[in-house]
Amino acid sequence: GIQVEQSPPDLILQEGANSTLRCNFSDSVNNLQWFHQNPWGQLINLFYIPSGTKQNGRLSATTVATERYSLLYISSSQTTDSGVYFCAAPPSNFGNEKLTFGTGTRLTIIP
Amino acid sequence: KAGVTQTPRYLIKTRGQQVTLSCSPISGHRSVSWYQQTPGQGLQFLFEYFSETQRNKGNFPGRFSGRQFSNSRSEMNVSTLELGDSALYLCASSLASGVYGYTFGSGTRLTVV
Repeated sequence: GIQVEQSPPDLILQEGANSTLRCNFSDSVNNLQWFHQNPWGQLINLFYIPSGTKQNGRLSATTVATERYSLLYISSSQTTDSGVYFCAAPPSNFGNEKLTFGTGTRLTIIP
Repeated sequence: KAGVTQTPRYLIKTRGQQVTLSCSPISGHRSVSWYQQTPGQGLQFLFEYFSETQRNKGNFPGRFSGRQFSNSRSEMNVSTLELGDSALYLCASSLASGVYGYTFGSGTRLTVV
């Protein structure tokens, strides 16, 4: 099945800093999602981004499907951005019925 | 519109008991998937239901089962609980098997003692 790798595993930044999180996947994908898991465990949708670039406020994401990677950018970090960020994709030969998750990037924003 | 609702939020059970978790998807969504999250294994796919039919199942023992009702609400059942079943169980809904992505609920945190 598809392998999804995320880097870095941990990131500690000062409030106001910018960050880039990376997601590599081993096979072509039909879609890719980025999630933020808050301290209470809920996975919050950030982006559904099979290809191209999307922006939502201080967050933006780019997926280059042909090169099998996606990037999540967080600008002007706030303490509320802390948590674990996951990317997830279904294997292209499996339809979209399941997601394979990366191991996540734990982001800690220090005030 | 209302999001994905999972109940209960927290649950403590004893080894050997069984448990049923519930998930109500976003109105109009027909696909419900279940995932288990543990510190050691991360997020793992359990199964996916679409229009009351299980379409895919992950690599979990038969003690894990589920069903979907005609209103798209889904339940997940774990029988003969083991300590290793302690986890956060997350439910996700989508329009149709991942079309336009998945939306997750807040999860049910199950502790087996």
